[in-house]
Amino acid sequence: GAVVSQHPSRVICKSGTSVKIECRSLDFQATTMFWYRQFPKQSLMLMATSNEGSKATYEQGVEKDKFLINHASLTLSTLTVTSAHPEDSSFYICSANGWTDYEQYFGPGTRLTVT
Amino acid sequence: GQQVMQIPQYQHVQEGEDFTTYCNSSTTLSNIQWYKQRPGGHPVFLIQLVKSGEVKKQKRLTFQFGEAKKNSSLHITATQTTDVGTYFCASDSWGKLQFGAGTQVVVTP
Repeated sequence: GAVVSQHPSRVICKSGTSVKIECRSLDFQATTMFWYRQFPKQSLMLMATSNEGSKATYEQGVEKDKFLINHASLTLSTLTVTSAHPEDSSFYICSANGWTDYEQYFGPGTRLTVT
Repeated sequence: GQQVMQIPQYQHVQEGEDFTTYCNSSTTLSNIQWYKQRPGGHPVFLIQLVKSGEVKKQKRLTFQFGEAKKNSSLHITATQTTDVGTYFCASDSWGKLQFGAGTQVVVTP
């Protein structure tokens, strides 16, 4: 199946700093990618839809100035958590539609810990 | 988005037993997808159901979509330790997935 990678897999940062997470589609082009956040023992919550060549669309309640999304190419989307706080500590996962138009392939996730 | 409610939240199963997880919506769903997430891992697509009353099988897994397209179920027979993980249903709206809360499955040998 289609492969999506994420980097880094784990990151620890200090409060007030910014962290960039990369999501890459390795063997297909993705005009649209999705960013999710998952707190421990909870479900995945869609944060935003990343569109290649245009602005991301954010879900209600997600601050676009705090979670900056850039979809620079057909294989790369980045999520930057700006001025991170401990409450931003979570598991961030990206996904993209692969060969079909409905099956979503998820990246391995990035575990962010803000101290 | 179309919200889906999923029960039970936890399921302890003896190896070899069967279990079912249910997904319900107050509105008609265009489709329903099921994913499995192993501990520490990421969600992996299992199946999509589109048609009213649809039933699909994958080895020991049986997926159903209700006649009214408001509910779905995943039934696993003869549970194995490899079935451990959290099973999510998700409604799909133009590629945007709204996940249910998930059923965390623990299998005891």
